[in-house]
Amino acid sequence: AQSVSQHNHHVILSEAASLELGCNYSYGGTVNLFWYVQYPGQHLQLLLKYFSGDPLVKGIKGFEAEFIKSKFSFNLRKPSVQWSDTAEYFCAVIPRGSQGNLIFGKGTKLSVKP
Amino acid sequence: DADVTQTPRNRITKTGKRIMLECSQTKGHDRMYWYRQDPGLGLRLIYYSFDVKDINKGEISDGYSVSRQAQAKFSLSLESAIPNQTALYFCATSDGGGGTLNQPQHFGDGTRLSIL
Repeated sequence: AQSVSQHNHHVILSEAASLELGCNYSYGGTVNLFWYVQYPGQHLQLLLKYFSGDPLVKGIKGFEAEFIKSKFSFNLRKPSVQWSDTAEYFCAVIPRGSQGNLIFGKGTKLSVKP
Repeated sequence: DADVTQTPRNRITKTGKRIMLECSQTKGHDRMYWYRQDPGLGLRLIYYSFDVKDINKGEISDGYSVSRQAQAKFSLSLESAIPNQTALYFCATSDGGGGTLNQPQHFGDGTRLSIL
């Protein structure tokens, strides 16, 4: 069965530190990839998505993600985090062109210390 | 106004009660979804609907039922609630027609359900 793995359950950083959250998926074919963010007490919001083209994708709020097909990975990065980035981050994939649904990772909670 | 509206936002009820959670959307999307979120487990899909006449079970449909009353409305029912259904429930929508498969999903604000 297809699955998405997020390696870190909880990451704690100080402001201005760099961030990288790992995401790996298990599916041999072509996929569409997403990162969602959930701020405390709020719903999930789309951070960025990758469908095709340049594997380095830029999203909102200074986030970016790189799709590495050979590693089945779609890691999320930000050069310098802020306290307001404290949230839970979810990676999700869907086989391209399928009638299937989003498969979510279990999430990584990011806490940024001011 | 929110594009995806869930009601109620919070609900506390007792074991054995029947509960309905409602979701309405103004995005004009064909596809609607119900998820539950539990700490450390991420989001798990309960049911999804690709149009009014299409209902499909997700990963964890046991104990739940749904109704797609109209394109804009998708309700989730717990026929006889049990404590392990205590969770945060999210409705989502996505655009799936006209060759636009696999578009991002848009989420409601969630319903926090506690079953005593």
